[in-house]
Amino acid sequence: QITLKESGPTLVKPTQTLTLTCTFSGFSLNTGGVGVGWIRQPPGKALEWLATAYWDDDDRYSPSLKTRLTITKDTSKNQVFLTMTNMDPVDTATYYCAHRFVSGAWYNVFDFWGQGSLVTVSS
Amino acid sequence: EIVLTQSPATLSLSAGERAILSCGASQRVSSNFLAWYQQKPGLAPRLLIYGASNRATGIPERFSGSGSGTDFTLTIRRLEPEDFAVYYCQQYASSPLTFGGGTKVEIK
Repeated sequence: QITLKESGPTLVKPTQTLTLTCTFSGFSLNTGGVGVGWIRQPPGKALEWLATAYWDDDDRYSPSLKTRLTITKDTSKNQVFLTMTNMDPVDTATYYCAHRFVSGAWYNVFDFWGQGSLVTVSS
Repeated sequence: EIVLTQSPATLSLSAGERAILSCGASQRVSSNFLAWYQQKPGLAPRLLIYGASNRATGIPERFSGSGSGTDFTLTIRRLEPEDFAVYYCQQYASSPLTFGGGTKVEIK
């Protein structure tokens, strides 16, 4: 059974750095093909892909946010961390982590999602 | 970057009716790497369709996907009360992964 859960601060101030943790179970980031994605959703708006952490460390980032994002992993603890620098009120959103889907082959869609973590950026 | 445009923004229908949702891509989505998700208020998205037409595990047969190239469709054959939600398409043919703006299927 695959589960994921996001954790981190609910409120950050403008210009601060946000670090979110995705703690997962039911799979391992040491397994070939596995990936954990980060997707965010501002209130009332659409989904936006941020980044994906891959088993082989070939992590990918959204070009529009690449300079502000960093993914790190602790495979022994089944955790993936997303760091976003220089937070702004427009970054207020629910942040999700999600498992990369496999059906014969691995695809960059997401079949299991965390519950989401609402982060508000405000002074 | 492939931009996905979903239409209509809102679809007002009654239970039992058929829903047809569209997703248009700004450039060809190779290998039909197009997925659909359903999202209900306060919940995470749920994967419905991948590869344009393949239902994910546990998805009812009333959900079907079709299309290729730049034009894709999600059809819900007969709306059940639990199908009223927001639907998003996502392309995974190229990076960055992108989502459409969503279609809200609401009760008429």
